[in-house]
Amino acid sequence: AQSVTQLGSHVSVSEGALVLLRCNYSSSVPPYLFWYVQYPNQGLQLLLKYTTGATLVKGINGFEAEFKKSETSFHLTKPSAHMSDAAEYFCAVSGPDSNYQLIWGAGTKLIIKP
Amino acid sequence: DVKVTQSSRYLVKRTGEKVFLECVQDMDHENMFWYRQDPGLGLRLIYFSYDVKMKEKGDIPEGYSVSREKKERFSLILESASTNQTSMYLCASSLGTGALGSPLHFGNGTRLTVT
Repeated sequence: AQSVTQLGSHVSVSEGALVLLRCNYSSSVPPYLFWYVQYPNQGLQLLLKYTTGATLVKGINGFEAEFKKSETSFHLTKPSAHMSDAAEYFCAVSGPDSNYQLIWGAGTKLIIKP
Repeated sequence: DVKVTQSSRYLVKRTGEKVFLECVQDMDHENMFWYRQDPGLGLRLIYFSYDVKMKEKGDIPEGYSVSREKKERFSLILESASTNQTSMYLCASSLGTGALGSPLHFGNGTRLTVT
């Protein structure tokens, strides 16, 4: 069965520093991969997704993620953190193993230090 | 822009009450979903629907039912609310069959407290 692991329930970075949020998945075939962001008191919104093609995917607000099949990873990065990036980030995967239903990671709360 | 509207942001109900959570989307999406979100557990799928009057159980359907009489509206029903159903409930919609590359669009959530 497919599963998604997000390393670290909380990640703290200084404003201006690199953001790296880790996501690993298990799947027998290359899946579809998603990152969603949830700002306080809001629903989730799509940050970026990988379906096919280029493995480096650019999303909104300067975020990007790279699909690495050999490492079964889809880590989210941003070169320079901004205070407005403080939110909870969710990685999700779908594919034939899950009948194309989304399997969610537990989420990582990103804290930005001034 | 797709808009998914959940009727209430906050609800407080008593144990044993019947509770209705309403969700409406305005983009003619075929699929609609109800999730609950609890700290450290991520999102867990309660029910989903891929067409009017169709419904499928998700991972945690016990204690819940759903209704989809019109394409744009998907209701979650707690037949007899219990304290362990205190949670954030998120509604979402998407195009197409399943989540085959099509992103979900979420409402802002309903925070339900059962006392």
